[in-house]
Amino acid sequence: EDQVTQSPEALRLQEGESSSLNCSYTVSGLRGLFWYRQDPGKGPEFLFTLYSAGEEKEKERLKATLTKKESFLHITAPKPEDSATYLCAVQARTGNQFYFGTGTSLTVIP
Amino acid sequence: NAGVTQTPKFQVLKTGQSMTLQCAQDMNHNSMYWYRQDPGMGLRLIYYSASEGTTDKGEVPNGYNVSRLNKREFSLRLESAAPSQTSVYFCASSRQVNQETQYFGPGTRLLVL
Repeated sequence: EDQVTQSPEALRLQEGESSSLNCSYTVSGLRGLFWYRQDPGKGPEFLFTLYSAGEEKEKERLKATLTKKESFLHITAPKPEDSATYLCAVQARTGNQFYFGTGTSLTVIP
Repeated sequence: NAGVTQTPKFQVLKTGQSMTLQCAQDMNHNSMYWYRQDPGMGLRLIYYSASEGTTDKGEVPNGYNVSRLNKREFSLRLESAAPSQTSVYFCASSRQVNQETQYFGPGTRLLVL
């Protein structure tokens, strides 16, 4: 069964304290892995797409990496405006569906 | 360029009432999706339309119907609402159904009493 698990469920960081969010997945062949940011009361906002193990993408203070079983979203020197829920989703090679994890709620304290 | 728009933003229904959630995109995308988001469950796919004229069931289709009205519009209908359908509903679109980033609307918050 295709599955996506994100950890931790919640993370509190001091401003400037770097950390990583994890997304582990089990799918019958990965077609793509997607990271989204979701602010309260809003729809998910696209961050990154990764297609193959070893791939990395960066945007400002965020960097996403991918292995054969998991992806990490590294946050370097976070700011309070980085506070949000970060969602991971995968698409398997068989079928067209996307499977989302339940997210990591990040709070960055000034 | 509005992206993905959804109406209404918020709705309260009584058990057994029907309603249609509307979604439109202006990005000329071929594929469109309906998800529901519940606490602790993550986003779950209800139905999707890979291209105009086609629709397919997702993970949780029971109690819902969809219509791909044209390339821009994809509606979700609840024929007889149940309290278990209380949720936040998101519409999304992508250029194609495979390997393509999905862009989400702002959501519709539905409460069924």
